[in-house]
Amino acid sequence: KQEVTQIPAALSVPEGENLVLNCSFTDSAIYNLQWFRQDPGKGLTSLLLIQSSQREQTSGRLNASLDKSSGRSTLYIAASQPGDSATYLCATSTNDYKLSFGAGTTVTVRA
Amino acid sequence: DAGVIQSPRHEVTEMGQEVTLRCKPISGHNSLFWYRQTMMRGLELLIYFNNNVPIDDSGMPEDRFSAKMPNASFSTLKIQPSEPRDSAVYFCASSGSSEKLFFGSGTQLSVL
Repeated sequence: KQEVTQIPAALSVPEGENLVLNCSFTDSAIYNLQWFRQDPGKGLTSLLLIQSSQREQTSGRLNASLDKSSGRSTLYIAASQPGDSATYLCATSTNDYKLSFGAGTTVTVRA
Repeated sequence: DAGVIQSPRHEVTEMGQEVTLRCKPISGHNSLFWYRQTMMRGLELLIYFNNNVPIDDSGMPEDRFSAKMPNASFSTLKIQPSEPRDSAVYFCASSGSSEKLFFGSGTQLSVL
């Protein structure tokens, strides 16, 4: 069974600092990996999806890398803003639909 | 597009009552998922539909839970009878060719 771990569970940074969020998974035979954002009381918003054949994906200030052999993905958020405060979840799939979610990292960006 | 629409947003009911949660997926999406989120267990997949057909219901906790998708634009998750341990946030999500998952805002269920 795929186990997805996100450490740390929470972090707080001053505005403008770059954020580095880590995700590790036990089964390297993944189909794809997604990073989501969840705001309090809301659903999840998909930020980036990396296919198993890709090494990274970028969208604006966000960049996600994938290293299947080591079972790791990293989400970088450049020049953080207070609006980036949220919980970020990583999820892998080992087929075309079933996602295994990490518990998330709760980020606070201090103004 | 309005996104995935769920109703109700909040549901408070008493133990033993029937609860029905509703979902309207994004038009054109052929995959629909029901998830449950709790502090203890995180996000759990309950059931997955593809083209309105249930493909994987292995995550449905027990026979008290049932889900239907009568057409491409509507799905329900029913709990009968409800129990306090069913209290959680229930999310519906849909996806299409991009494989990105789009979540609704969820239904916060409290069973007293």
